Amino acid sequence: QVELQESGPGLVKPSGTLSLTCDVSGGSINTNSWWSWVRQPPGKGLEWIGEIHHVGTANYNPSLRSRVTISVDESKNQFSLNLNSVTAADTAVYYCASHSGYSFAHWGQGTLVTVSS
Amino acid sequence: QSALTQPASVSGSPGQSITISCTGTSSDVESYKLVAWYQHHPGKAPKLIIYEGSKRPSGVSNRFSGSKSGNTASLTISGLQAEDEADYYCCSYAGSNFFYVFGTGTKVTVL
Repeated sequence: QVELQESGPGLVKPSGTLSLTCDVSGGSINTNSWWSWVRQPPGKGLEWIGEIHHVGTANYNPSLRSRVTISVDESKNQFSLNLNSVTAADTAVYYCASHSGYSFAHWGQGTLVTVSS
Repeated sequence: QSALTQPASVSGSPGQSITISCTGTSSDVESYKLVAWYQHHPGKAPKLIIYEGSKRPSGVSNRFSGSKSGNTASLTISGLQAEDEADYYCCSYAGSNFFYVFGTGTKVTVL
């Protein structure tokens, strides 16, 4: 059973860069799966941010594409999210998730990131 | 690409059946048999309960069922139980430009 765990700073300053890592356990990241980031602002719904395959191919939500980079580190069995030029609107619980079809079968517990000075 | 439209809340008594709708467009729900449903208890990880419109992952109760007609997908929960009280989100694949679009979310209350 694949397990995912997010980690990273819980507080980021406006205009800074939000950086999170998702550790994958119980399975290898080197599979025919896609590894995604999803977020949920307080009181709002879920929003897909983007995904990456272990070979390095990445896809992003068009609304965030200009600010997002998702990368993978096969040696550490983890993948990462970088979101730059953050504002208060980026305050959210950030989840990492995986899918091999077109649905997210495995999710991390989520981590709250607050953008504030 | 706008979020898929769901009712904000649906309620029912224990044992009853409820249905949650998820309305999209010809660019997502109508074009692909790839709608998934997630159950989300606040503070916990979302849980996949329906994929590819109507399929249930192993271990998910058969009280949950999914269907689709045109640009609207639906989730039915039969034999409503107290543990079903949660937020529910639909999500559709939307092609190689927008990829995944979530619904606005529905809060299910068991009366």
